[in-house]
Amino acid sequence: DIQMTQSPSSLSASVGDRVTITCRASQSISNYLNWYQQKPGKAPKLLIYAASSLQSGVPSRFSGSGSGTDFTLTISSLQPEDFATYYCQQSYSIPPVTFGQGTRLEIK
Amino acid sequence: EVQLVESGGGLVQPGGSLRLSCAASGFTVSSNSMSWVRQAPGKGLEWVSVIYSGGVTYYADSVKGRFTISRDNSKNTLYLQMNSLRAEDTAVYYCARGICSTSCSNFDYWGQGTLVTVSS
Repeated sequence: DIQMTQSPSSLSASVGDRVTITCRASQSISNYLNWYQQKPGKAPKLLIYAASSLQSGVPSRFSGSGSGTDFTLTISSLQPEDFATYYCQQSYSIPPVTFGQGTRLEIK
Repeated sequence: EVQLVESGGGLVQPGGSLRLSCAASGFTVSSNSMSWVRQAPGKGLEWVSVIYSGGVTYYADSVKGRFTISRDNSKNTLYLQMNSLRAEDTAVYYCARGICSTSCSNFDYWGQGTLVTVSS
């Protein structure tokens, strides 16, 4: 199975900050990488698919990049509603789909 | 509008069974890849099972032989039959639609989740 490792596991930032979350795959996954946002008590929400494609309705301050084994999710200017947990997910070698362990983004 | 509504969760004893349902509206379940994803309390996301539009199914090793995914096309509903439940199956279970881009496992719509608690 492909292992997905996110860093950092948690992050404190302020409104207006630029934030980057990293996801590393245990082997090359081309661009088969998705990012999700999850708020407490809610289902995950797809933000980015195919490493860099913005899902419909997602604000443009979210962007994704990378290919192979290293990927990043960037939020250009944090808004209050962005404080949540973020997960990466690979869909290259399936089954199984695998997720990163999550990055909790908290208010500083 | 696309909607997924899960039901069927609850408290069950170890070794027991439950059937989860996921009623879909706004799209056709049988024309899409549909998955179950679970989240243990305070933990991350774990993929459980998928059924593709052609009917092929796959399972995580942790549930293989105990869980069965299926769908009822006439009811536009996805199911997860869970047998021989264990304490470690305790989680919120989400159904999710997979859209096809690089693969068909990009989950664009999710249900609200249903909690399964396995305890004596």
